[in-house]
Amino acid sequence: KAGVTQTPRYLIKTRGQQVTLSCSPISGHRSVSWYQQTPGQGLQFLFEYFSETQRNKGNFPGRFSGRQFSNSRSEMNVSTLELGDSALYLCASSLEYPGAGMNTEAFFGQGTRLTVV
Amino acid sequence: AQSVTQLDSQVPVFEEAPVELRCNYSSSVSVYLFWYVQYPNQGLQLLLKYLSGSTLVKGINGFEAEFNKSQTSFHLRKPSVHISDTAEYFCAAYKLSFGAGTTVTVRA
Repeated sequence: KAGVTQTPRYLIKTRGQQVTLSCSPISGHRSVSWYQQTPGQGLQFLFEYFSETQRNKGNFPGRFSGRQFSNSRSEMNVSTLELGDSALYLCASSLEYPGAGMNTEAFFGQGTRLTVV
Repeated sequence: AQSVTQLDSQVPVFEEAPVELRCNYSSSVSVYLFWYVQYPNQGLQLLLKYLSGSTLVKGINGFEAEFNKSQTSFHLRKPSVHISDTAEYFCAAYKLSFGAGTTVTVRA
């Protein structure tokens, strides 16, 4: 069974540009979460999608957005990139939405390393 | 909202010595706790989880954790570490709240 796949693995962008990151969850998983990981802030929750609906959102500016498609694949977009957006962006998928069955586990992809110059 | 505090940012340890990584959580909501490990340039891998039942939880790679409701703690332990255990470890309350991480460096 294939794991969570994130593309691309590495990305270099210029300030002011926008970027789209992709996450393909494990087959059958309907919940996808996104996290930003930086040395200073650690792992911070961005948002979570289940069945194409955003269920939870972290404390990030509106420049950060996401969506989920009917096949559960998810994308996140960051517009007007800033230097501080340089980070490892991790995606995690799980079988069920929290509350619908807590006996679930989040499986993480290897992440997309975004560098903004 | 749930919150998680990892009390140690870095833990150096010698090979074959025991290690304990400390994690406290806020008690405001139902508790589902996890420990994840992150190796360099990798995503996170689940070590173990506590959902309910026995307070001593055994995970992969010889790790175990004890859920202590009165102390709101969920400390991770391993009786004898290997060089390959060098990694960053995260305590998490379900999926929304992660601790800042503890870097474990195992030395020969």
